[in-house]
Amino acid sequence: QSVLTQPPSASGTPGQRVTVSCSGSSSNIGRNYVYWYQQLPGTAPKLLIYGNNQRPSGVPDRFSGSKSGTSASLAISGLRSEDEADYYCAVWDDRLSAWVFGGGTKLTVL
Amino acid sequence: EVQLVESGGGLVEPGGSLRLSCAASGLTFSHAWMSWVRQAPGKGLEWVGRIKSKTDGGTTGYAAPVKGRFTISRDDSKNTLYLQLNSLETEDSALYYCTTEGRFCTGGLCAEYIDVWGEGTTVTVSS
Repeated sequence: QSVLTQPPSASGTPGQRVTVSCSGSSSNIGRNYVYWYQQLPGTAPKLLIYGNNQRPSGVPDRFSGSKSGTSASLAISGLRSEDEADYYCAVWDDRLSAWVFGGGTKLTVL
Repeated sequence: EVQLVESGGGLVEPGGSLRLSCAASGLTFSHAWMSWVRQAPGKGLEWVGRIKSKTDGGTTGYAAPVKGRFTISRDDSKNTLYLQLNSLETEDSALYYCTTEGRFCTGGLCAEYIDVWGEGTTVTVSS
């Protein structure tokens, strides 16, 4: 059971906008920045969003992040087949003194 | 470009030990905070622990499931991070990733985050 809750799956057709949610608590999302990682099949995770809504250089602006209270969301607009991957949210938990990850959301592009 | 290359994984019996290494390049390693993250087959990501830079105290922190069994260390002269795994259990079987922790600052406040990942090394605990 992950400290952060994500839906196990999400899907969309090419060109659509999809969102992935991440729910936490006052000890993690409620007080710290949220990060998102993309893991393409058979590869290591890659940082997608840092500081709730900042994109590292090279990440397309189709990807955006937001946070409100103890929840966060990743939005992907203009969905492409190459976006098919697992997406994880992560945040530092002050009560556990540990990085915690969501269980991951498998995105399927139909 | 930052590169992290893990090694040392393998098959070990329950109760056994293993030492993983992570060779880092493309960064000032001595200034870097480093973390280990693992991923069991078909499962999600799980943080294992971190070590701060010596200038920031060099302290370590661990996830509850591995505390007391795993130890993270670093050799800044070799740009290498280590993870000593003792008293291994079958539940420790996973792909172990070495990661850097970056830092960004905004509004006068700074925060660390897991940034670059290596390709991982596989640990299998089985009799």
